[in-house]
Amino acid sequence: GENVEQHPSTLSVQEGDSAVIKCTYSDSASNYFPWYKQELGKRPQLIIDIRSNVGEKKDQRIAVTLNKTAKHFSLHITETQPEDSAVYFCAAPYTGFQKLVFGTGTRLLVSP
Amino acid sequence: DADVTQTPRNRITKTGKRIMLECSQTKGHDRMYWYRQDPGLGLQLIYYSFDVKDINKGEISDGYSVSRQAQAKFSLSLESAIPNQTALYFCATSEGRGNTGELFFGEGSRLTVL
Repeated sequence: GENVEQHPSTLSVQEGDSAVIKCTYSDSASNYFPWYKQELGKRPQLIIDIRSNVGEKKDQRIAVTLNKTAKHFSLHITETQPEDSAVYFCAAPYTGFQKLVFGTGTRLLVSP
Repeated sequence: DADVTQTPRNRITKTGKRIMLECSQTKGHDRMYWYRQDPGLGLQLIYYSFDVKDINKGEISDGYSVSRQAQAKFSLSLESAIPNQTALYFCATSEGRGNTGELFFGEGSRLTVL
């Protein structure tokens, strides 16, 4: 089955620094890679996604890059702010693309 | 965002009891999912349904059952709860074809089995 590995499990940065979270997937046919953010005590919410026909997508301070050859994709957050503190999950599809498999999450802590 | 509503939000029960978690949605989506969240394990898919007559097992369906009563309602049952089913449970919906639709999660149901 599909496996999605996510690293690091925890990440601490100072406000204003950049943060990078990396995920690796196993199914070379995967074509959709979303990132979800879960604030403490809240539900996960989609923050950005990328499809396999592009290598990078940006939305203000966040960006996602995709390397299909290496089968990995990354979330980049620039100029981090305390409100970026949350758990971030990557995901990739499998089983005929009917289901998403989530990574184990990265807890990001941004210190003022 | 109350488009996906889960009840109860918190429940404490004892080993062997039957528990039902309910999910209703007003988004008009055909697809509904139940996920379980444990610390350090991310979100694991329990069951999913693409329409009222279509129910599928996910990664960790053992010990769980589901019922899709209507397009808008999808319930998760634990026939005989055990302590290792203590977790945060999320219902989610999506609209898209295949897997490329955004998942919209409910607020979660925290279950504790003593």
